[in-house]
Amino acid sequence: EIVLTQSPGTLSLSPGERATLSCRASQSVDSNYLAWYQQKPGQAPRLLIYGASSRATGIPDRFSGSGSGTDFTLTISRLEPEDFAVYHCQHYGRSLWTFGQGTKVEIK
Amino acid sequence: QMQLQESGPGLVKPSETLSLTCTVSGGSISSSSYYWGWIRQPPGKGLEWIGSIYYSGDTYYNPSLESRVTISVDTSKNQFSLKLRSVTAADMAVYYCARQPFSITGINDYWGQGTLVTVSS
Repeated sequence: EIVLTQSPGTLSLSPGERATLSCRASQSVDSNYLAWYQQKPGQAPRLLIYGASSRATGIPDRFSGSGSGTDFTLTISRLEPEDFAVYHCQHYGRSLWTFGQGTKVEIK
Repeated sequence: QMQLQESGPGLVKPSETLSLTCTVSGGSISSSSYYWGWIRQPPGKGLEWIGSIYYSGDTYYNPSLESRVTISVDTSKNQFSLKLRSVTAADMAVYYCARQPFSITGINDYWGQGTLVTVSS
């Protein structure tokens, strides 16, 4: 089982600032099978990024994903008010699909 | 517009069986392009994949839950279902159903709104 560790647990930023979220895997992720989701209170997660860097349909280009192997990053270039939420990373592919514990991006 | 909707009891007694159904609208559950999955989220915690099913009935389960889980599909009703046996307080969570593209196995591109299941006597 691949364990995903997200950091930081909480990120306090202001609108317009850049957010950098980390997701570290306990072992190398095959073919960069790493996804990111955004979740707002009381809502289901929304797919943002898959394949480590491919944006899902309708996702603004201020969201970008990068990384390979065991270290992955989600970057939000300029935070909009609607971007304050919890972000989850997920490993998928051949083996057990697992999620990180989430990073909360809150308004400073 | 693809939509998924979970339904089922919001309260289950310890040791009993949790049963939920996901109704798919705006698309066919018989499409060869998708798996259909269940994911849960305990209050204040992270997400956990429970299992997935293909329209043919092929299933894939999280090994940690496999002994207690059954996922089935009813193509005539455009629904798939989850049964989790012998529940405990640790099974209390918001349960989501989701669509998983066959070409990118494991990602969840459409989700239901989720349903909270409480385990209590």
